[in-house]
Amino acid sequence: RKEVEQDPGPFNVPEGATVAFNCTYSNSASQSFFWYRQDCRKEPKLLMSVYSSGNEDGRFTAQLNRASQYISLLIRDSKLSDSATYLCVVMGGYNKLIFGAGTRLAVHP
Amino acid sequence: NAGVTQTPKFRILKIGQSMTLQCTQDMNHNYMYWYRQDPGMGLKLIYYSVGAGITDKGEVPNGYNVSRSTTEDFPLRLELAAPSQTSVYFCASRMTSGTISYNEQFFGPGTRLTVL
Repeated sequence: RKEVEQDPGPFNVPEGATVAFNCTYSNSASQSFFWYRQDCRKEPKLLMSVYSSGNEDGRFTAQLNRASQYISLLIRDSKLSDSATYLCVVMGGYNKLIFGAGTRLAVHP
Repeated sequence: NAGVTQTPKFRILKIGQSMTLQCTQDMNHNYMYWYRQDPGMGLKLIYYSVGAGITDKGEVPNGYNVSRSTTEDFPLRLELAAPSQTSVYFCASRMTSGTISYNEQFFGPGTRLTVL
C-alpha cells in the first residue's frame, strides 16, 4: 500500500463548479498534513496546511479525519486558474514530506 | 530574495556520464532536500540535510551523493548516470528558528534530466 494515495483524475469541471479531492494515508502516527499545488512543469507550492478541526482559505476548504486516515480538499466556485495538479502531502519522521502522486484538475469555460 | 535556485534547467546525459545538479537558497534555511519526480508520480526524497556538514539518505538515495559545506548550497551528484535516473529533480528548503519548525518547504524550479 502506498503511504499517500490519491485519485489521479483528471477532474474536468466547468467554471463555477464545486469539486472535492480525497486522499488517504497509511501511517496513523502522522501529525502534519498539507495540500500543495503544482502547475504543469513547475515546482510544487504550498496551498494550505490541514488542521484537525478543518480550515478554510477563501474558496478552499481542507478537512482531516484521523480515524479514517483521510484528508480532503474542497474547491468552490472553480476558476480557470485553478487548473493544476493538487498534491496531498503528509509529514513523516524527521520532518520529511511524503507526497501523493497528485490529482489533476482541469477547469473549462 | 531569489529563493531557491537550481542549475541547469535541462540536461541530457549519456549512460555512464556524471554531473552535479546545483541548488542554492538565499533564505538562510537550515533544512534542504532533494526530490525526484517521475512522470505521473509523486515526489520521492533522495537526500536531505538539517544543516551545514550534516546529510542523510531519503527514500531513493542509490546512485546519488550530496554534500553540504555551506548553509546556502546543497549540490546533488550523479556519478554513473543510468536511464532510470531520467526524471525531474527538485531542490527544496525549509526554515527552522530555535525550537520553532516551520512546515512549508520552498521548492526550486527543477532540473529536467534525460539519460540516454
